[in-house]
Amino acid sequence: DAGITQSPRHKVTETGTPVTLRCHQTENHRYMYWYRQDPGHGLRLIHYSYGVKDTDKGEVSDGYSVSRSKTEDFLLTLESATSSQTSVYFCAIGRDTYEQYFGPGTRLTVT
Amino acid sequence: KQEVTQIPAALSVPEGENLVLNCSFTDSAIYNLQWFRQDPGKGLTSLLLIQSSQREQTSGRLNASLDKSSGRSTLYIAASQPGDSATYLCAVRRAAGNQFYFGTGTSLTVIP
Repeated sequence: DAGITQSPRHKVTETGTPVTLRCHQTENHRYMYWYRQDPGHGLRLIHYSYGVKDTDKGEVSDGYSVSRSKTEDFLLTLESATSSQTSVYFCAIGRDTYEQYFGPGTRLTVT
Repeated sequence: KQEVTQIPAALSVPEGENLVLNCSFTDSAIYNLQWFRQDPGKGLTSLLLIQSSQREQTSGRLNASLDKSSGRSTLYIAASQPGDSATYLCAVRRAAGNQFYFGTGTSLTVIP
């Protein structure tokens, strides 16, 4: 258990509404990541953070924004949710060796 | 862009068999490679991490090897058990930048 929690664990929302997912770590690691997992695509990196207020885009960042105001929290925001953003979202932390540890995931359904 | 492939997509073996899972990647300029297992509806559990300078890593019944020049890694599972049934994923981190690329996984079923 790498001390990573995600909230909410499940969410159903309507197209066009904003959604924020939260990732919280208890281990004070510098690196944090947001992924989405979809059948046939595996896990794809959305955004990552390498420190407070330091973030960068991943492979599939369009439609998503992130913020990291504290070391322990990394927020993922869908400004205006679309059905194509229905997915399972995973947060991960990266240790100094760049080994990644994952949270339990958030299942998001956009109707 | 790094492409990571895992073949086969699914594998079924009788309990007690030794087995090998494969992971291939297109760009050999990697920093490390990590193997995970994922149980249905769950997050990913880290199994083994191999740095680019290493050839293999072992943990219990698991042994992972890395051949950077050929763009391949294997995960060897000895004496398989029904509890090993899960999806196994590999991920590579590029040598430059902080991007990770995942394969789509191999779904393993160990039959009692």
